[in-house]
This record gives sequence, C-alpha cells and structure tokens, in this order.
Amino acid sequence: GDSVTQTEGLVTVTEGLPVKLNCTYQTTYLTIAFFWYVQYLNEAPQVLLKSSTDNKRTEHQGFHATLHKSSSSFHLQKSSAQLSDSALYYCALNTGYQNFYFGKGTSLTVIP
Amino acid sequence: NTKITQSPRYLILGRANKSLECEQHLGHNAMYWYKQSAEKPPELMFLYNLKQLIRNETVPSRFIPECPDSSKLLLHISAVDPEDSAVYFCASSQGFSNERLFFGHGTKLSVL
Repeated sequence: GDSVTQTEGLVTVTEGLPVKLNCTYQTTYLTIAFFWYVQYLNEAPQVLLKSSTDNKRTEHQGFHATLHKSSSSFHLQKSSAQLSDSALYYCALNTGYQNFYFGKGTSLTVIP
Repeated sequence: NTKITQSPRYLILGRANKSLECEQHLGHNAMYWYKQSAEKPPELMFLYNLKQLIRNETVPSRFIPECPDSSKLLLHISAVDPEDSAVYFCASSQGFSNERLFFGHGTKLSVL
C-alpha cells in the first residue's frame, strides 16, 4: 500500500548548523505530489513546500527539498537552522483525488 | 490564519452533544475534517467536494458531518467517548487532485 516514512521522531540541531529531515515513500501511483507541512506548537499544520516534479529543487523560507523518484525520497534540508525553526514537520504524499498520506512527523528542536 | 475559521476553539464535554463549525473564505471546492490525536499526524475523517461527501473514513457513527454550502462544514458529535479527545481540524483545498491543504486553527476537544 501507499505510505510515507519519516525515520527520525526527534531531531536536535544547534543554531546555525545544517539540518536534514528524511522522508521516503511507497506508492504505485504515477501522478503524485509531495508536501512538507510544518506545525508550530498549538497551531495548525501549514504547507512549507510542494513538489510533483522529479529531480527539481523546491525552496521556501530557507528550506529546500528535491523529489527523487529513483530513490523514493523527498528529504527536507536547510543550510543554517534557526531557533524559530523548532516545530513538528510532516512529510505528506498525495496520490491524487486528495488521498493524503502523512508521515508520523519529526519534531525538530533548534538549540542555541 | 483567518481564512478558515473554526468554532469553538476549545470544547470540554461530558457525554453531551455538540457541533463543531467551520467556514472557509478561500473559495475552495473541497473541505475536510481531520482528527489529530496527541503526538500523531492528522487523520482524515471526512472529505466533501462541491458539497458532496466523497470520503467517509472509518469513523464512529457518533460523528456526523454536514456541508450546508460550499464554504461551510459542520461536525455533529453525540455521546462522546474519551478516545475522542483530540484536535479536530477543518481543512480546504482549491481542487480535488494533488492540491495543498489549508488548515483551520482547530478545535481542541477534551472529553471528561
């Protein structure tokens, strides 16, 4: 079946250092879209990035991700983490007709 | 995010009946109810597209959705159970294929 895997439940990084959150997926659908959602404490999830094009880098708010269908991955990266980046991050797969599959989420904590 | 409004913001219930309300001001065609339990990703409950119920996931019958018009969504809850304690998010999307979700701020339901 379709699924999204986020291997790290908790990630802690020092401010100013790079961060990478992993996301891999399984699907049999060909027309798919990927999202990274960020959820700050006591707030609603909001879209951070979206991609549906293989091997094309997508950027927003200093974060970037590239969909790699060959490795079934859509990792989220940032070159320099900020304290304000501390939040819960969900990778999500949309297989069409709004079938969303969310990963279990990665809690990112940025420390001074 | 004032583009999707939900009420009430917080709800504490015994075994009473109550309705959650949602209104979106984005002109979107699809509207959703998601349930997010503690430390879990959002889980789809119901999906409406152009006022028609498209998806009805495995949800207890005490939850009854209603879509009076394309911009409003209701969730009627009767005789709640402690397992219903969660945050209930209303969401919307422009279309019905590979579209991003826009979430409301949620209703936090606490069952006594």
